[in-house]
Amino acid sequence: AQSVSQHNHHVILSEAASLELGCNYSYGGTVNLFWYVQYPGQHLQLLLKYFSGDPLVKGIKGFEAEFIKSKFSFNLRKPSVQWSDTAEYFCAVNLNTGNQFYFGTGTSLTVIP
Amino acid sequence: DTAVSQTPKYLVTQMGNDKSIKCEQNLGHDTMYWYKQDSKKFLKIMFSYNNKELIINETVPNRFSPKSPDKAHLNLHINSLELGDSAVYFCASSGGFKNIQYFGAGTRLSVL
Repeated sequence: AQSVSQHNHHVILSEAASLELGCNYSYGGTVNLFWYVQYPGQHLQLLLKYFSGDPLVKGIKGFEAEFIKSKFSFNLRKPSVQWSDTAEYFCAVNLNTGNQFYFGTGTSLTVIP
Repeated sequence: DTAVSQTPKYLVTQMGNDKSIKCEQNLGHDTMYWYKQDSKKFLKIMFSYNNKELIINETVPNRFSPKSPDKAHLNLHINSLELGDSAVYFCASSGGFKNIQYFGAGTRLSVL
């Protein structure tokens, strides 16, 4: 079965620290990759996406992610986090052949002012 | 205009009751989904419909019955509510040349 792993369940950082959240998936075919963010009490919003082309994609609010096909990874990064980045972050994979999305278990990020 | 809207936003009810959550999308998408998010924030797919037809039906108790009257609507009806059904339920839709999911604001269901 396809799966998406997010190894960091809880991350606590101070403001201005750099962030990297890991995401690995298990499907060997062509995939579309996503990071979603869920701010406290809100719904999931798309942060960035990768379909094809440049494996380094830039999203909103200074986030970026790099697709490394050989490692089946799509890690999320931000050079300097802010208190307002406190949220849940979900990695998701969509198989190019279908409508199903597979979500990771999420990473809770807390940024301390 | 809200792209994916679900109602109600909050639902508090007694065990054993039957309740429905409605979802509508105005994005012209062909596919709609229901997810359940538990207290640990795990997001679990429940159902997916494509053009009013069920395409994904994960292991969900048959007390949960989705209904899609047209491709812009996917409602979720829950019979005989149990304590363990307490969660946030998210509706989503996807479509277009590149498949991106858009989520509704969620319905927080509390079963007492």
